[in-house]
Amino acid sequence: QPVLTQSSSASASLGSSVKLTCTLSSGHSNYIIAWHQQQPGKAPRYLMKLESSGSYNKGSGVPDRFSGSTSGADRYLTISNLQSEDEADYYCETWDSKGIFGGGTKLTVL
Amino acid sequence: EVQLLESGGGLVQPGGSLRLSCAASGLTFRNYGMTWVRQAPGKGLEWVSFISDSGDITYYADSVKGRFTISRDNSKNTLYLQMNSLRAEDTAIYYCAKDLKFFDIWGQGTMVAVSS
Repeated sequence: QPVLTQSSSASASLGSSVKLTCTLSSGHSNYIIAWHQQQPGKAPRYLMKLESSGSYNKGSGVPDRFSGSTSGADRYLTISNLQSEDEADYYCETWDSKGIFGGGTKLTVL
Repeated sequence: EVQLLESGGGLVQPGGSLRLSCAASGLTFRNYGMTWVRQAPGKGLEWVSFISDSGDITYYADSVKGRFTISRDNSKNTLYLQMNSLRAEDTAIYYCAKDLKFFDIWGQGTMVAVSS
């Protein structure tokens, strides 16, 4: 089964861009993943589904500032024009006989 | 508007039982598989269990297998999680989510605390 690896933290300045990474373990580079955002004290929120081809489908109401991309086993979430409300934990997720989550990246907006 | 609303959480002693509910509205509940995901205090998300749309297929995390039972009542648009033999490590916020994977709808969560 795949393992999803995420950096524990990231930071970027208000108005800038940040690229978060979720890496699939060896032999699983073709897996589709999803990105979820969890703002402090809130439930997770679906952002997008991201395929190995790099194509992605965003959830309803997700701002255009959020985009996805792929390179090999890496799945990226890019947030442009960072806003204060983007400060949150970001989780990647996939499935292989059971649900699998990455450890999450805590994004701080400076 | 699609909404999932969990209930049934609370404080329970180790070895005790609790049943969580997740009431769905704004969607044709019987058409979708449903999942429970939990989050221990200060920790990440952990997948717990899945049930198919008709209820005939279920999956469980190893950490809860044999202790938790997922079920649903499509006539009531409600998902359940029966939790038995609870342990301190089951302390978490429990979320229900729509589908087998790539959960596009999440509930707001219900807190379960296992402590003496």
